[in-house]
Amino acid sequence: DGGITQSPKYLFRKEGQNVTLSCEQNLNHDAMYWYRQDPGQGLRLIYYSQIVNDFQKGDIAEGYSVSREKKESFPLTVTSAQKNPTAFYLCASSMAIGTNQPQHFGDGTRLSIL
Amino acid sequence: GQQLNQSPQSMFIQEGEDVSMNCTSSSIFNTWLWYKQDPGEGPVLLIALYKAGELTSNGRLTAQFGITRKDSFLNISASIPSDVGIYFCAGSTSGTYKYIFGTGTRLKVLA
Repeated sequence: DGGITQSPKYLFRKEGQNVTLSCEQNLNHDAMYWYRQDPGQGLRLIYYSQIVNDFQKGDIAEGYSVSREKKESFPLTVTSAQKNPTAFYLCASSMAIGTNQPQHFGDGTRLSIL
Repeated sequence: GQQLNQSPQSMFIQEGEDVSMNCTSSSIFNTWLWYKQDPGEGPVLLIALYKAGELTSNGRLTAQFGITRKDSFLNISASIPSDVGIYFCAGSTSGTYKYIFGTGTRLKVLA
């Protein structure tokens, strides 16, 4: 099946710990994105990547880091510097940036603090 | 970051009723998208609109790209229980990576 796979579905973080959320796509999409979703709010962009080995900060990048070593993969690390990490994290991809192509989403990872 | 104004925030309707919701922006957009999100899952693309005045259907769903390019509308006809969820709009300007997302309309259908 073609699509975007996020793992794990649920993740718990201890104080001072870094955690990494996985996002893999087999849609052959060039662009990938990470969003954060809080209750009652729209999606807020954390980071995005147009091509391999390149990524840019979104609106709320502080406390997060990403890498794009492969076209299919765009992992997100929530660092200990992110003081309010509890949220639903969504990964998305699109054919290319700048062409108004729709973004397609994975099923999300819910991160909670222990 | 900027967000779109989406209304209503939530609505209860009876099964079989038609539903209307809208999204407005202070900016002009070249693309409007409508998504549905079920609890604990990611948003699923319903309809994409690329031209002012465009009217596009997907089954019982119909969406319109407003003539002013600052708004969009989604209608659901003859609602059924599985229509329950949160509906998001998203808008984008030409040649940009960024979609601005609305805050969502939560739909609850009473059988």
